[in-house]
Amino acid sequence: EVQLLESGGGLVQPGGSLRLSCAASGFTFNNFAMNWVRQAPGKGLEWVSAISGSGENTYYADSVKGRFTISRDNSKNTLYLQMNGLRAEDAAVYYCAKDPRYHWNSGWFDPWGQGTLVTVSS
Amino acid sequence: DIQMTQSPSSLFASVGDRVTITCRASQRISTYLNWYQQRPGKAPKLLIFAASTLQSGVPSTFSGSGSGTDFTLTISSLQPEDFATYYCQQSYSTPRTFGQGTKLEIK
Repeated sequence: EVQLLESGGGLVQPGGSLRLSCAASGFTFNNFAMNWVRQAPGKGLEWVSAISGSGENTYYADSVKGRFTISRDNSKNTLYLQMNGLRAEDAAVYYCAKDPRYHWNSGWFDPWGQGTLVTVSS
Repeated sequence: DIQMTQSPSSLFASVGDRVTITCRASQRISTYLNWYQQRPGKAPKLLIFAASTLQSGVPSTFSGSGSGTDFTLTISSLQPEDFATYYCQQSYSTPRTFGQGTKLEIK
């Protein structure tokens, strides 16, 4: 069974940094692209970032470009999201989600982890 | 960016009803359209990908159709566990974008 388990969320001050992790199991991790998707409290879903199976190619939403960095350690079956310069509008539940293919193109998100909550407040 | 617009934003229905949710893209996206269900406090779950392909394990009461700019998600006979929020999402171009959601509530 495919499982994704996020961690690393918490309370951070505006301008601060946080690193999220997503531990994957139940599939050959390096064969699939991965994503981060977020959901602000009471709001809809927003795709944040993606990375190809090798980690060679990365993609970002304009709202986080230059502040967030996605990476992966295929030896540890773990996906990361380094978030710097956090703003109030970055507060959300952050989900990791598996892509159906190695290369990130034209895919969907399945499955999703349970999410980790990031709160940005002074 | 491609804008995805769902209608209605909320919908009241009863167990056993047939319901249809519509999703419109701001430009043509062929069949690069996916549907998700999100129950309160839970992660989204993929229901349908590529506009009409039912994800494994999803009940056959769910179906999807459409291509180009207009898409529909139909639930043929509502079950109690189907009351949730539904999102469409395009995978035609970057950034992948979602509709604003349709909340399906019990009448």
